[in-house]
Amino acid sequence: DAGVIQSPRHEVTEMGQEVTLRCKPISGHNSLFWYRQTMMRGLELLIYFNNNVPIDDSGMPEDRFSAKMPNASFSTLKIQPSEPRDSAVYFCASTPRGANTGELFFGEGSRLTVL
Amino acid sequence: TQLLEQSPQFLSIQEGENLTVYCNSSSVFSSLQWYRQEPGEGPVLLVTVVTGGEVKKLKRLTFQFGDARKDSSLHITAAQPGDTGLYLCAGALETSGSRLTFGEGTQLTVNP
Repeated sequence: DAGVIQSPRHEVTEMGQEVTLRCKPISGHNSLFWYRQTMMRGLELLIYFNNNVPIDDSGMPEDRFSAKMPNASFSTLKIQPSEPRDSAVYFCASTPRGANTGELFFGEGSRLTVL
Repeated sequence: TQLLEQSPQFLSIQEGENLTVYCNSSSVFSSLQWYRQEPGEGPVLLVTVVTGGEVKKLKRLTFQFGDARKDSSLHITAAQPGDTGLYLCAGALETSGSRLTFGEGTQLTVNP
């Protein structure tokens, strides 16, 4: 079975450009999470969805970040406009259970570099 | 200030040695998970502990949840180069209910 699929794996862009990261969760999983990982701050939860509905977006840094989940098999994380401090690895994860005890299945991440 | 403090941050040992890494908090967790992450990949779950004082074993890895459910440890016996990776603990707070918070991780290197 396919795991969580993220694209692109690597993105290099210039400050001010729009960035869209994509995620396909594992089929049948009803919770989806977006995390950001940096050396300084580790793994930070940005937002998560249950049954395609955003439940907690308190981790989204600011209005430049937005996330959508139009259906059970697809989610996007958009940064507009991007800034150098957004450089990080962005992970998508899904789980078949509730958010706090279920195993998180992570994708391989999207490494974003903003110049 | 991190909600979950992991120590040490970096650990470099020789093959065959034993080691313990720690995950500490002043908060109580309803459950705690340990993940291992290799370069260029996402974290992979190793274990979930739920009950205070619980001990779980996974081959050469032993996980313990503190009695008060505020801390956890991971002990590796006879470490092997394949154990190299970033070990992350992640907890669900009793008060938050839904957010899983990760520690910053312990980067383990096992030299052959």
